[in-house]
Amino acid sequence: DTAVSQTPKYLVTQMGNDKSIKCEQNLGHDTMYWYKQDSKKFLKIMFSYNNKELIINETVPNRFSPKSPDKAHLNLHINSLELGDSAVYFCASSRTGGYTEAFFGQGTRLTVV
Amino acid sequence: SQQGEEDPQALSIQEGENATMNCSYKTSINNLQWYRQNSGRGLVHLILIRSNEREKHSGRLRVTLDTSKKSSSLLITASRAADTASYFCATDRSSGGSYIPTFGRGTSLIVHP
Repeated sequence: DTAVSQTPKYLVTQMGNDKSIKCEQNLGHDTMYWYKQDSKKFLKIMFSYNNKELIINETVPNRFSPKSPDKAHLNLHINSLELGDSAVYFCASSRTGGYTEAFFGQGTRLTVV
Repeated sequence: SQQGEEDPQALSIQEGENATMNCSYKTSINNLQWYRQNSGRGLVHLILIRSNEREKHSGRLRVTLDTSKKSSSLLITASRAADTASYFCATDRSSGGSYIPTFGRGTSLIVHP
C-alpha cells in the first residue's frame, strides 16, 4: 500500500486556469505538508497542517489554498495559474513532534503553458 | 534561514569510490536528517541524527554532526551505480510546537559503473 499518495502525477494546464492536487496518507500521521520543488531542485515548504489546523503558511501567493478535510488528507487548490507556478509539488506527512521522519508522495509535476 | 545548504551541488564518482556530501545550517537544531531523491520520485528518509549525537551509521551510510560548526556530512562508502540520486539534508524548524523539515538544494550524485 502506498503510504502517501498524491494525484495527479502530471498536470499540464493553461495560464489562468484553476486546478487541484490531492494528497492522502494512510500512516495515521497528524502532520501533513506541501512542498514546492523548483527547476534547481530547491525544496521549499509551502504549508504545514497539524490535526487539520494550519501551522505554517509561508510566503505563498493567496492563489494557493490548502484544504484539510480530515487528518489523512491535505489538498492543494491553485487559482489563476501562472507560468511561474510550474514546478513539482510534493505532499508529505509525519508524526507530530521532533525526531520524526517525513514520508513523501511521488510528486505532481505541474506545467503551466 | 534555517534551511540546510548542501555542498557540493554535484558530485561524479566511479563505482566503488566513497562519496562525501556536506551540509551547513545557520541556527540551532534538535536534529538533522538526510534524504535521498531518485529522479522523478519523492524523497526517502535515510537517517536522522540528534543534536547530542556526533556520528551515526546505517549500512554503507555514515553521518556526522558538528553542532559547533553547524555542519553535517553524509558519507556513502563503496558506492554503487544505484546510489545515483540527489541527497538532501533537512534541519528541523520549530513552529507552534511542531518541527518542520526544512531542505536546501541537495547534492546531485552520479555514480558511474
